[in-house]
Amino acid sequence: EVQLVESGGGLVQPGGSLRLSCVASGFTFNSYSMSWVRQAPGKGLERVSGIGGSGTATSYADSVRGRFTVSRDNSKNTVYLQMNSLRAEDTAIYYCARGGVGVISDYWGQGTLVTVSS
Amino acid sequence: EIVLTQSPGTLSLSPGERATLSCRASQSVSSSYFAWYQQKPGQAPRLLMYGTSSRATGVPDRFSGSGSGTDFTLTISRLEPEDFAVYYCQQFGTSPITFGQGTRLEMK
Repeated sequence: EVQLVESGGGLVQPGGSLRLSCVASGFTFNSYSMSWVRQAPGKGLERVSGIGGSGTATSYADSVRGRFTVSRDNSKNTVYLQMNSLRAEDTAIYYCARGGVGVISDYWGQGTLVTVSS
Repeated sequence: EIVLTQSPGTLSLSPGERATLSCRASQSVSSSYFAWYQQKPGQAPRLLMYGTSSRATGVPDRFSGSGSGTDFTLTISRLEPEDFAVYYCQQFGTSPITFGQGTRLEMK
């Protein structure tokens, strides 16, 4: 059974940093690209970052480029999202999803809430 | 960036009725890379349709998808109480991957 479990969310002050993790199981992790998708309170879905199976190819939404960094450790079946210089508008539930450009996002984690507030 | 515009924003229908949700793209999207998701309150999005018209595992056959180019449609033939949710379209063939703003399907 495919499972994705996010962690690392919480309350952080504007300008602060947070690292999210997503542990995957039930599939050959290094064969799949992975995505981070966020959803602000009461709003729609925004894909903020993605990473290829080997970790060499990465992509970012304009809204987070230069502040967020995606990475993965295939030995630990884990994808990370390092979030720096956080702003109030980054407040959202962050979902990890299997898939990316050209590959359907068929499995999603339960999400982790990030709140940026003083 | 491919912008996806969903209509209507909210659709009020009764169980047993037919629902038709639309998604229009700002430029042509390959039908192979077009999907629909369902999201219920407090839950993660759930994949419904991929490749425009293929149902994901476990999705009942009252759900169907169609379309090509810039116009895509999700149809629910006879609404069941569990179908009332928010639906998002997505294109994942061109970077950046984009979603529509969602259609809220509410019970009348």
